Amino acid sequence: ELKVEQNPLFLSMQEGKNYTIYCNYSTTSDRLYWYRQDPGKSLESLFVLLSNGAVKQEGRLMASLDTKARLSTLHITAAVHDLSATYFCAVLSGTYKYIFGTGTRLKVLA
Amino acid sequence: NAGVTQTPKFQVLKTGQSMTLQCAQDMNHEYMSWYRQDPGMGLRLIHYSVGAGITDQGEVPNGYNVSRSTTEDFPLRLLSAAPSQTSVYFCASSYSGVVGSTDTQYFGPGTRLTVL
Repeated sequence: ELKVEQNPLFLSMQEGKNYTIYCNYSTTSDRLYWYRQDPGKSLESLFVLLSNGAVKQEGRLMASLDTKARLSTLHITAAVHDLSATYFCAVLSGTYKYIFGTGTRLKVLA
Repeated sequence: NAGVTQTPKFQVLKTGQSMTLQCAQDMNHEYMSWYRQDPGMGLRLIHYSVGAGITDQGEVPNGYNVSRSTTEDFPLRLLSAAPSQTSVYFCASSYSGVVGSTDTQYFGPGTRLTVL
């Protein structure tokens, strides 16, 4: 059974600092997703990572995937307050089942 | 496009009552799914569908039924509500869900359900 773990669960950081969120999963998978959720809102897709070594960047966020280590990272560069949200990774289990991590609640302090 | 829509936004039920959460999408997506979100547990897959007439169970299917008679609609039925079903429910859809594609899921706004 595929398990997905994120750490840290909570992250409070200063504006302008860099940090990384980690997503580990327990069995082989072909796809990994990152989503963002603002408080009381729905989920918004950030990245889809398909292959080993895949790297995608959007603004201050960069996601990478190491399928051999079963690890994805979401790196935040020079954080700004607008990045405060909860970030989820999700991994495809088998053909159609998506397993989500527990989420990382990020708070960026001015 | 309206995207993925869900109704109602909020609902309070008494234990034992039944109800249907509605989900619709206008993007001609084949894949649709239902999740529940509980504090500290992320999202857990309840049921999913890969096309009209085809449904399957996710991680936490007990107490829920689904059907998919059209591409657009994917209702979730609570047969006999229990307090443990108090949660926020999200419906999502994607073009195909096929392995190797770059499809991502689009999520609806959610339904906040309380069972007393």
